[in-house]
Amino acid sequence: NAGVTQTPKFQVLKTGQSMTLQCAQDMNHEYMSWYRQDPGMGLRLIHYSVGAGITDQGEVPNGYNVSRSTTEDFPLRLLSAAPSQTSVYFCATGRNEKLFFGSGTQLSVL
Amino acid sequence: AQTVTQSQPEMSVQEAETVTLSCTYDTSENNYYLFWYKQPPSRQMILVIRQEAYKQQNATENRFSVNFQKAAKSFSLKISDSQLGDTAMYFCAFMSGAGSYQLTFGKGTKLSVIP
Repeated sequence: NAGVTQTPKFQVLKTGQSMTLQCAQDMNHEYMSWYRQDPGMGLRLIHYSVGAGITDQGEVPNGYNVSRSTTEDFPLRLLSAAPSQTSVYFCATGRNEKLFFGSGTQLSVL
Repeated sequence: AQTVTQSQPEMSVQEAETVTLSCTYDTSENNYYLFWYKQPPSRQMILVIRQEAYKQQNATENRFSVNFQKAAKSFSLKISDSQLGDTAMYFCAFMSGAGSYQLTFGKGTKLSVIP
């Protein structure tokens, strides 16, 4: 029982490159979400999903795409990376009014 | 929109002593949840404690307890018998209603436990 698994743990991109951050859960939770954490800030919501086939925007969605084809997976796509997207990214699942976080992906965009 | 404010960017406490971290929030809702998360250097976000707004009794988890003042919109975390492993960033967070699962975080308090 791995909980919430994020890959990769670290990534360096060049401006304009694309990539996908992976998030997988084995807890059968309907709710999944993506947050970013910048220095001196708390986490901010990027996108979320309340079930397969349903996604919606959070507080800071610009520059990011998501899809949810299965309950288990919720990938976050950066289509054209920008230095402003340098951050630590967390995936989370929710049940019974509690959120459970993955270990994060540290992304640097040069 | 809700806001969460943590007014203490950094704090320190002697090992075995007690420390209180402050958090205030702003909302017009009556049904909500409040959380404290711990983030050690490993970066993992660990749920410390949760409080339901409709419960008057303050939540307690072992050495961690909260002082929830609904009218004042205050939600402080007390850590008793501080241990070196308590050294971490602590984030206060707000979730509105049942089923929303959207957290609004404060900026965090960096706690250092001194041996």
